[in-house]
Amino acid sequence: AQSVTQLGSHVSVSEGALVLLRCNYSSSVPPYLFWYVQYPNQGLQLLLKYTSAATLVKGINGFEAEFKKSETSFHLTKPSAHMSDAAEYFCAVSDTGTASKLTFGTGTRLQVTL
Amino acid sequence: DTGVSQDPRHKITKRGQNVTFRCDPISEHNRLYWYRQTLGQGPEFLTYFQNEAQLEKSRLLSDRFSAERPKGSFSTLEIQRTEQGDSAMYLCASSSGGGIGYTFGSGTRLTVV
Repeated sequence: AQSVTQLGSHVSVSEGALVLLRCNYSSSVPPYLFWYVQYPNQGLQLLLKYTSAATLVKGINGFEAEFKKSETSFHLTKPSAHMSDAAEYFCAVSDTGTASKLTFGTGTRLQVTL
Repeated sequence: DTGVSQDPRHKITKRGQNVTFRCDPISEHNRLYWYRQTLGQGPEFLTYFQNEAQLEKSRLLSDRFSAERPKGSFSTLEIQRTEQGDSAMYLCASSSGGGIGYTFGSGTRLTVV
């Protein structure tokens, strides 16, 4: 069974500061890993995905994530936060066999302050 | 193509009533997924179709839930005899054959009163 754990349900950063959202995964097979963003009353938008190519993955809006197998982690970072980054962020995992069902974490709400 | 479309955006229903939601995927996508998201939680997988075939169903999908995808195009999700615990956001997503990462719709928010 696969799972993801997102450490910290709420993260607050100042505008211009580094954003770090943590995700650890558990998978019995090589995983695919994803980060999605959700704005209020909206669906989820794919930020980036890891599919066993480069371990450092660059996504939209200046976000990136690094796959670290030894730490079973896939943390999301952005060098400089912007007010528009305030949203809910979800980490998700799927197995490479079927690439169908995604298992999501419980989410991290990012607050950006002036 | 404007992405994955879901209708309605909001639905309020009385307990015990039946409701049906519709999802129109991106036209060239052959895979379609339904997820449920309750307040403060991540989305939970309900079911998925490849073309018109329903290939996997979650144990969350009780016998009151049914999903169809006639002709492999749009899909409907029906909930019979709704309960207050069914209140949630119902998300639809679609993907092409590789299935690596989906495009989600904006969801249908169901409130059962």
